[in-house]
This record gives sequence, structure tokens and C-alpha cells, in this order.
Amino acid sequence: NAGVTQTPKFQVLKTGQSMTLQCAQDMNHNSMYWYRQDPGMGLRLIYYSASEGTTDKGEVPNGYNVSRLNKREFSLRLESAAPSQTSVYFCASSQGTAPPGTQYFGPGTRLTVL
Amino acid sequence: AQKITQTQPGMFVQEKEAVTLDCTYDTSDPSYGLFWYKQPSSGEMIFLIYQGSYDQQNATEGRYSLNFQKARKSANLVISASQLGDSAMYFCAMRGNQAGTALIFGKGTTLSVSS
Repeated sequence: NAGVTQTPKFQVLKTGQSMTLQCAQDMNHNSMYWYRQDPGMGLRLIYYSASEGTTDKGEVPNGYNVSRLNKREFSLRLESAAPSQTSVYFCASSQGTAPPGTQYFGPGTRLTVL
Repeated sequence: AQKITQTQPGMFVQEKEAVTLDCTYDTSDPSYGLFWYKQPSSGEMIFLIYQGSYDQQNATEGRYSLNFQKARKSANLVISASQLGDSAMYFCAMRGNQAGTALIFGKGTTLSVSS
């Protein structure tokens, strides 16, 4: 039981390049999330998927797109990377909207945009 | 708007001592959940403890307890008998209602435990 997995662990991009961050969970959770963590700040929600087939914007969605490929997988795409997107990205999942809605996190992807 | 505030950027404690990490929250929703997560230097986010807004008793999980004072809108984390391995960043978070069960995080408190 791996929990939430993310690939890659590290990535360096040049401004304007694109990439997709992959996330998968094996806990049969309905809801999945993408957060970013910047120095001195807590995690901020980029996008979430309350259930398979649905996605919604979070607090900081600009410059990102997501795809809920199936119940297990939720990917985050940067179409044209910018230095402001240098951050650590976390994927998380939870059983659903009912309490407690505890979220379990992947190990994170450290992205640097030059 | 919902908000979490952690006012202690850093805390220092000796091994075996207890420590309290402060968290205050703001919400107008009568139903909410409060969480604490630990982030060690390795970077992963580890769930520690949960308190529901309607729970009558304070949550406890091993050496962790949550001092929930609803009227004061505070949800402080108490770690008893600190260990060197407790050195980490600690985040308080609230389950908001604007985006499903997405969490709203505070900025975190760095805890350093010395021998």
C-alpha cells in the first residue's frame, strides 16, 4: 500500500517549457488535490477534484491545468512555466467530503523554473 | 473568509518537556474540522490529529493532544514529552467550505527540540 505517489521528485525547467506532474493514490479515495508550498507560507490549493470526472479551481489556479484521469490519478500541467511557479508541489487525497475529510499527502515535487 | 493564524515562527524546547503550538482560526461556518500536520526536514506532510467542531472532547493521539477552545477560536497542539524526532515544521489547517474538503493552512511553526 503506497498511499499517494508523485513523479518526478525533482525537476528543473526553463521559462516557457511545459511539464506534467503525476499523482496516483491507491487508497480508493474519491477526492484529490494539488497544493503548492512556497517559503514562509503554508500550502495553497491550486486545483481539486471532489470526485472522478470533476475538477475545480482553488486559490491559485492561474498558469495550471489539471486532469482527473481516473479515480486513482490526478495530474497537474504547467503549459508555459514561469519563475513564479518555482515551488514544492504536493498532491493529496481524501475519502470524500464527509468529515473528517483527512487528507493524505504525497512526498512532493520540487520544481525550479529558471 | 476563512483563515488560520499561527503566530509563533519558531519554538524551542528541551527533550522530555511539553510544548504548546498555537493556532487560531476564523470561520463563520458552524461545521468545520481542524487538523495538525508535521513536516520534517525530509519534506513530507504527516497527519497528526483532527478535531471536529462538534466534538465535545479534545482530540488525543498518543503524545499529541489538541486543546480546542471553541469560544476563543483556538486549536493549540500540545506535544508531551518532546523527542528529538519532533523537530519539524508544524502546520495547523482547517477544512474550509469554499472548495469541497480542501484545507486552508497556516504559515507554520518550526519546532526545535534539543537534548
